[in-house]
Formats: sequence, structure tokens, C-alpha cells
Amino acid sequence: QSVLTQPASMSAAPGQKVTISCSGSSSNIGNNYVCWYQQLPGTAPKLLIYENNKRPSGIPDRFSGSKSGTSAALDITGLQTGDEADYHCATWDGSLSVVAFGGGTTLTVL
Amino acid sequence: QVQLVQSGAEVAKPGASVKVSCKASGYTFTAYYMQWVRQAPGQGPEWMGIIDLIRGSTAYAQNFQGRVTITRDTPASTVYMELSSLRSDDTAMYYCARGPRIGANYNLFDPWGRGTLVTVSS
Repeated sequence: QSVLTQPASMSAAPGQKVTISCSGSSSNIGNNYVCWYQQLPGTAPKLLIYENNKRPSGIPDRFSGSKSGTSAALDITGLQTGDEADYHCATWDGSLSVVAFGGGTTLTVL
Repeated sequence: QVQLVQSGAEVAKPGASVKVSCKASGYTFTAYYMQWVRQAPGQGPEWMGIIDLIRGSTAYAQNFQGRVTITRDTPASTVYMELSSLRSDDTAMYYCARGPRIGANYNLFDPWGRGTLVTVSS
């Protein structure tokens, strides 16, 4: 069981916006940067967001991240069928001395 | 471009060890950390450990202490992860992933290798 809590699944229609949440504590999200990873079916994860809200080059601005207190969120606007994937949040946990991952959220674009 | 190429799938018996390699190219090998992450079927990723490619120093997740060893061959730009005393629940995809620049005070994984499937079965 992960120390970072994400909804197991979410769904939305093409063109809509979805917000995926990631809840933690002061030992992880509250005092460390959060990253988000996209994992398309059958592939390795890919970095989407780092340092809470920065996008690597090549990541569309439809993807944005935010953090407040001990929670983080990933917003995806203008949903496309190609966005169907698992999304994982991750951050350092100072109490456990590990990089903690959330359990992952499976996004379905109906 | 930055690439991480991992070794092929492995099948091992319970109690045995497995060693997975990860060859990096397209960047200065010693300028970044390298990390290992595993993902069991239907589960989220699980961080295993990290190596400082300048000093060779390592840090491992408590869950794997005593069973995992991460090493490097700098001239070959290759990192290795060896997992011993294998159990059936070690069956998973094992990924190497480049970490941040050496000395950074944050963590990230970018890019990831394509993964090496390790199956533990008698």
C-alpha cells in the first residue's frame, strides 16, 4: 500500500478536462518536489511533470501540475484518445528514505 | 538522443540471483545518477535504489536491503542491478531510469529503459 493516494480510475470524454489527485503527507509531498509520469499500455513510464509544475521539452501544455500542502494534482485539458494511460505521481519520502510512487490512476477517454 | 538499452528477459528459479544491465548513450554518463525501479504485473512502480555514477556510492530501498546490488562499468557506460534470493513475488518488469544531475536536491526519472522482464518460477 502506497503512502501516496491516487484514485484508481477516472474517465472523461474527448475534449474535456480531468484532474488527477495525489495525496500524501509532510514526510513526502509536503516537503519535496512532485513528478508525474504517463505510462501508455505496454510501455515504460514517461516523465510528464517535474518539480511540481515544470514540463520537459516535448510535453504539450495541455498537461499541467500543481501542489498545495500535502497534495498534488495533474490537470489534462483537451483530452484525446491517445491520453488513455496510467498516470503515476512520485516524490521523495524522508521518513521511509525512498522515492514513493502513487498506486496509479487509469484514465479512460470515452 | 539519450537512450537506455536494457538486457533481455530472464527466467530464474526461487533462491537464485539475476543480473540486469542497462547501457546508456547520448549523454555524459557520469553527469547523472542512475536508478532502478520495478513494476509487478498490475501494480504501480516501486523504487529499488540509486547509484552516483561519479563516486559509485549507492542507496537502496529498505525493502530490498541485503538483496539488491547496483554497480557500474564507467568505460562501458553500463549500470547493473543484481537481485538475489529471488522469490516468486519478485516476478516483475525491471526498469533502469536516469536520475537527476549529480548533486541535485530533487529526484526524477528521465528517460526510462524499455524494461527487462524477470520471471521467477520453479
